[in-house]
Amino acid sequence: AQSVTQPDIHITVSEGASLELRCNYSYGATPYLFWYVQSPGQGLQLLLKYFSGDTLVQGIKGFEAEFKRSQSSFNLRKPSVHWSDAAEYFCAVGSSGGYQKVTFGTGTKLQVIP
Amino acid sequence: GAVVSQHPSRVICKSGTSVKIECRSLDFQATTMFWYRQFPKQSLMLMATSNEGSKATYEQGVEKDKFLINHASLTLSTLTVTSAHPEDSSFYICSAAQGETGAGELFFGEGSRLTVL
Repeated sequence: AQSVTQPDIHITVSEGASLELRCNYSYGATPYLFWYVQSPGQGLQLLLKYFSGDTLVQGIKGFEAEFKRSQSSFNLRKPSVHWSDAAEYFCAVGSSGGYQKVTFGTGTKLQVIP
Repeated sequence: GAVVSQHPSRVICKSGTSVKIECRSLDFQATTMFWYRQFPKQSLMLMATSNEGSKATYEQGVEKDKFLINHASLTLSTLTVTSAHPEDSSFYICSAAQGETGAGELFFGEGSRLTVL
């Protein structure tokens, strides 16, 4: 069974500082990996995804993530955080084969301080 | 990107009544939709997979008779919470798959917050 671990429940960074959110997955084959962002009371918005190819994936809003098979990780990074990035971030792993059954991590809440 | 819309965004109901939540794919056809439940400060838990023209597939522990799912068309899936009780209060989110291959992308609705009094 697939699973996702986000070890950091809550992270606080200063505006302008760099950010890295950790994500580790467990999946038997080549995973489909996603990062989503959720603002309070809202649905989820896809930041980026990895299916195959280049292991460094660029997403929206200046985010990027790197797939490291040897470490079973897919960490999300941003060089300079903006106050509007404060939200909850979910890493997810999906299975191939026709349906997008996605398993989500428990999320990391990002707080940005001035 | 594709748009998925949920309605209503917020609903308050009395205990014992039933509530219907709609999930629509606005600009694409979705043969498969998914319903999730999100408890406060927790992740999304998949409740069921909704398949157009056939019965939904429920995850273990989800009551089929409690959470009725209908996927009558390629753009609409509905979740009906029957005989709602306060413990059913939660944030319900749907998603729709664009494309049937593993490379397809999921698009999420805005979520519906249900409060049962």
